[in-house]
Amino acid sequence: AQSVTQPDIHITVSEGASLELRCNYSYGATPYLFWYVQSPGQGLQLLLKYFSGDTLVQGIKGFEAEFKRSQSSFNLRKPSVHWSDAAEYFCAVGNFGNEKLTFGTGTRLTIIP
Amino acid sequence: EPEVTQTPSHQVTQMGQEVILRCVPISNHLYFYWYRQILGQKVEFLVSFYNNEISEKSEIFDDQFSVERPDGSNFTLKIRSTKLEDSAMYFCASSGTGNTEAFFGQGTRLTVV
Repeated sequence: AQSVTQPDIHITVSEGASLELRCNYSYGATPYLFWYVQSPGQGLQLLLKYFSGDTLVQGIKGFEAEFKRSQSSFNLRKPSVHWSDAAEYFCAVGNFGNEKLTFGTGTRLTIIP
Repeated sequence: EPEVTQTPSHQVTQMGQEVILRCVPISNHLYFYWYRQILGQKVEFLVSFYNNEISEKSEIFDDQFSVERPDGSNFTLKIRSTKLEDSAMYFCASSGTGNTEAFFGQGTRLTVV
């Protein structure tokens, strides 16, 4: 069964600092990987996705993520965070032909001035 | 930009009552999903729907739950007899195919009292 682990429940970062949110997945075949962001009281917005090809993917709002098959990881990065990045971030895994997504428990990001 | 629309945004219901959560997926999408997020927990898959039938469902999706696409645009989730533990945010999502990203609605917060 597929699973996703986000080891950091809560991260606090200073505005302007760099950010890395960790995601590890467990899946037997090539996964489809996603990062979603959820602002308070809002729905889930897709930040970026990896299906195949270049293992470094660019997303919206200046985010990027790198797929590392050897480490079963898909960490999300941003070189300089903004106060508006404060939100909950979810990593998710899906697979070809199976439409459902399995989500991690999320990482709550707090930005301090 | 096309989006998934959910109504109502918040529903309060008494235990044992039936509720219907409504969703309008993106118009040319073929796959439809319901997920739920209990407060403070991760997003969980409930059911996927394709070609007018359920394609996959989770253990959570028991006989109390049903889905329907009553016309060409709406996609509904019915909970026949609500329990306190059904209180959660329910997200509808849709995708063009089974192998592309899912677009999520803003969610319906269901409170069972």
